[in-house]
Amino acid sequence: KQEVTQIPAALSVPEGENLVLNCSFTDSAIYNLQWFRQDPGKGLTSLLLIQSSQREQTSGRLNASLDKSSGRSTLYIAASQPGDSATYLCAVPMNSGGYQKVTFGTGTKLQVIP
Amino acid sequence: NAGVTQTPKFRILKIGQSMTLQCTQDMNHNYMYWYRQDPGMGLKLIYYSVGAGITDKGEVPNGYNVSRSTTEDFPLRLELAAPSQTSVYFCATATGGSEAFFGQGTRLTVV
Repeated sequence: KQEVTQIPAALSVPEGENLVLNCSFTDSAIYNLQWFRQDPGKGLTSLLLIQSSQREQTSGRLNASLDKSSGRSTLYIAASQPGDSATYLCAVPMNSGGYQKVTFGTGTKLQVIP
Repeated sequence: NAGVTQTPKFRILKIGQSMTLQCTQDMNHNYMYWYRQDPGMGLKLIYYSVGAGITDKGEVPNGYNVSRSTTEDFPLRLELAAPSQTSVYFCATATGGSEAFFGQGTRLTVV
């Protein structure tokens, strides 16, 4: 059974700081890894998708890395802003009995203080 | 491009009532999923579908039913609502091995 863990559960940083969010998974037979952002009371917004054959993906101030062999991914946020405050979730889809099952981490709640 | 549309956004049910949460997608994705998210918890899979006419149970299917008569629609039915079903429900779509897209959620309270 795939288990996805995100550490830390919560993080508070001053504006402008660079930060790293961590995601670890127990089964490396994944299709890809996806990072989402969730604002309070809202749905999930996709941030980055890393295919299983890739090592990293970048979008603006966000950089996500993937190390399948160690079962880890990191989301790096450069020059954090108050608007980055949200909960960040990672998700890993994999084949489970012939279908694509997606397992989510419980998220890291980020607060960027002005 | 609407993506994934869920209705309603909010609903209050009395214990024992039933309702259907609607999910419609216009991306022609074969995979569709229903998740629930409880406060401070991760997303738990209720049901999923790999295509029209094919559905199967996820981790927490009890108290729910689904159908998938078309590629676009994947309604979630609650029969005999219970307080334990108070949650936020998310519908998602994907193609095999690709990015998942989520609806904005339905916040359900059972009183």
